[in-house]
Amino acid sequence: AQRVTQPEKLLSVFKGAPVELKCNYSYSGSPELFWYVQYSRQRLQLLLRHISRESIKGFTADLNKGETSFHLKKPFAQEEDSAMYYCALTPDNYGQNFVFGPGTRLSVLP
Amino acid sequence: SQTIHQWPATLVQPVGSPLSLECTVEGTSNPNLYWYRQAAGRGLQLLFYSVGIGQISSEVPQNLSASRPQDRQFILSSKKLLLSDSGFYLCAWSTWGGARSEAFFGQGTRLTVV
Repeated sequence: AQRVTQPEKLLSVFKGAPVELKCNYSYSGSPELFWYVQYSRQRLQLLLRHISRESIKGFTADLNKGETSFHLKKPFAQEEDSAMYYCALTPDNYGQNFVFGPGTRLSVLP
Repeated sequence: SQTIHQWPATLVQPVGSPLSLECTVEGTSNPNLYWYRQAAGRGLQLLFYSVGIGQISSEVPQNLSASRPQDRQFILSSKKLLLSDSGFYLCAWSTWGGARSEAFFGQGTRLTVV
């Protein structure tokens, strides 16, 4: 079965400090990995996806297949990064479901 | 452009009453559709997903059911609500395509069972 874990429910960092949100997954095949973000009073939305290899709002995520991890990183946190972050996977097949982790609330302190 | 509508935004229902939450998608055809429940401390839990009309997969056995009577309509129902059904329910849709997929979420429904 597919499963996504995020060990930290809450992560607090000071503005300007590096931040790393951890995500581990279990899946027998080769899933596609995503990070979703939910800012206060906004809809849950895609932040970045593994296949794009992109940096969004300064965030990057590297897929480590050996450790089955997809940690989200940013070198210098900003107050506007405070939000709920969800790691998600979908199998690399058509018509399959998205599975989300339990989420990590990031709080960036001034 | 594609949009997703979910209603109502808030709902207060007595225990034992029925439930019907509706979600519709515009601007796309044959989407994958999802119902999630978002609970504090428990994150986003997948309840049901559908890859086509009449095709429903249930992820968590519970007091709820889902139906897809039309291509872009997804309904979450219950015959008799329990107190434990209270929560924040999110509808979402996604395209087919594996790595190119993206899930788009509705605004959610806050359900309080009293």
